[in-house]
Amino acid sequence: DADVTQTPRNRITKTGKRIMLECSQTKGHDRMYWYRQDPGLGLRLIYYSFDVKDINKGEISDGYSVSRQAQAKFSLSLESAIPNQTALYFCATSGQGARSYNEQFFGPGTRLTVL
Amino acid sequence: GDSVTQMEGPVTLSEEAFLTINCTYTATGYPSLFWYVQYPGEGLQLLLKATKADDKGSNKGFEATYRKETTSFHLEKGSVQVSDSAVYFCALRVSGSARQLTFGSGTQLTVLP
Repeated sequence: DADVTQTPRNRITKTGKRIMLECSQTKGHDRMYWYRQDPGLGLRLIYYSFDVKDINKGEISDGYSVSRQAQAKFSLSLESAIPNQTALYFCATSGQGARSYNEQFFGPGTRLTVL
Repeated sequence: GDSVTQMEGPVTLSEEAFLTINCTYTATGYPSLFWYVQYPGEGLQLLLKATKADDKGSNKGFEATYRKETTSFHLEKGSVQVSDSAVYFCALRVSGSARQLTFGSGTQLTVLP
């Protein structure tokens, strides 16, 4: 079984709809992240969480919100989706210890299309 | 701020050719440097890393050396295979940075048989 899972894997929605993307991990990591990937722009950080009670904005948090329901679960919401939020979204985790925080483990991604 | 610049792709090579993907960086502190690889339809995977100047990261025949004097971390492989076709991302993390990884824009590599 995959260590970092994302649901759904693909989603097509309409402008103005509320969308939730979910991420679960079985690695026991305390840190979780949400990124979006756009062609030619690499990955950009949306939100990150160091534990259940710690949520932080990344560089492109506008239009997004997150919820850390448990150590293993981190959800990303688009309250009112717009077409320029069409992208590939990745969840990632990193673990305990200074060295371990250097490596992030990524889920398979969610491809979101907003019409 | 911190940033990573990668050579633009796409890069197309024949099997067994030599590969170089250039990566340079700017950082506000002393960074650790990484190469991640993304195979088609998958998430990113760590390929190799280097945490201090002159360190060489290596994995699966790929190598990259942390060059502080030129602020570079170029990825090389002596003989590429079709299975190396993927998108490669250079990234950095500054010690103590809460923002964690800063990624380059990615370089698409296609290896032809």
